[in-house]
Amino acid sequence: DAGITQSPRHKVTETGTPVTLRCHQTENHRYMYWYRQDPGHGLRLIHYSYGVKDTDKGEVSDGYSVSRSKTEDFLLTLESATSSQTSVYFCAISESTGARDEQYFGPGTRLTVT
Amino acid sequence: AQSVTQLDSHVSVSEGTPVLLRCNYSSSYSPSLFWYVQHPNKGLQLLLKYTSAATLVKGINGFEAEFKKSETSFHLTKPSAHMSDAAEYFCVVSDRNFNKFYFGSGTKLNVKP
Repeated sequence: DAGITQSPRHKVTETGTPVTLRCHQTENHRYMYWYRQDPGHGLRLIHYSYGVKDTDKGEVSDGYSVSRSKTEDFLLTLESATSSQTSVYFCAISESTGARDEQYFGPGTRLTVT
Repeated sequence: AQSVTQLDSHVSVSEGTPVLLRCNYSSSYSPSLFWYVQHPNKGLQLLLKYTSAATLVKGINGFEAEFKKSETSFHLTKPSAHMSDAAEYFCVVSDRNFNKFYFGSGTKLNVKP
């Protein structure tokens, strides 16, 4: 299995609080992605990174920010959590040619916003 | 813009019978295409990928898919279903710059004994 870990694996938080999810890889892959998975929607891209300090928005980026200060770590922050952000969040990595290569996925983080 | 349509949200087959999961995409270029599988409460695993080489792609666990440009389809098949194939399957397409991926909404495969 690709070396991808996500932390925390489960989190319950209250509306309005900030939340940070961490993705850590040991593969030295260039591309990293954050998705959310909701029933009936498949996975939707939130943000992605194509290198250290290089990030771009995905299709559902409102309310989320990311940072990548090291190759191995990609952080997703919910600045002020809302109930609509209750979801399962997956991190993925991909090698140097981005979407020509397959992605490898982390185990997911289940976030509940009450 | 790219989009992916998985034509069936649920498919139910009997063990030992063929599996067909349908995927259509819209794109103005020749994309990379992928199928992933997700077993309950698990992460996603790559089944197979198409990246402009052979149009018939073989993957793991006996799955294969055929890229048909004229029909903009990339259907997933398996000759004989096994109970362990019960899972959710996602068809995925790359964007024009090969930076991002777009997922279909998923097909849940049920395999009956």
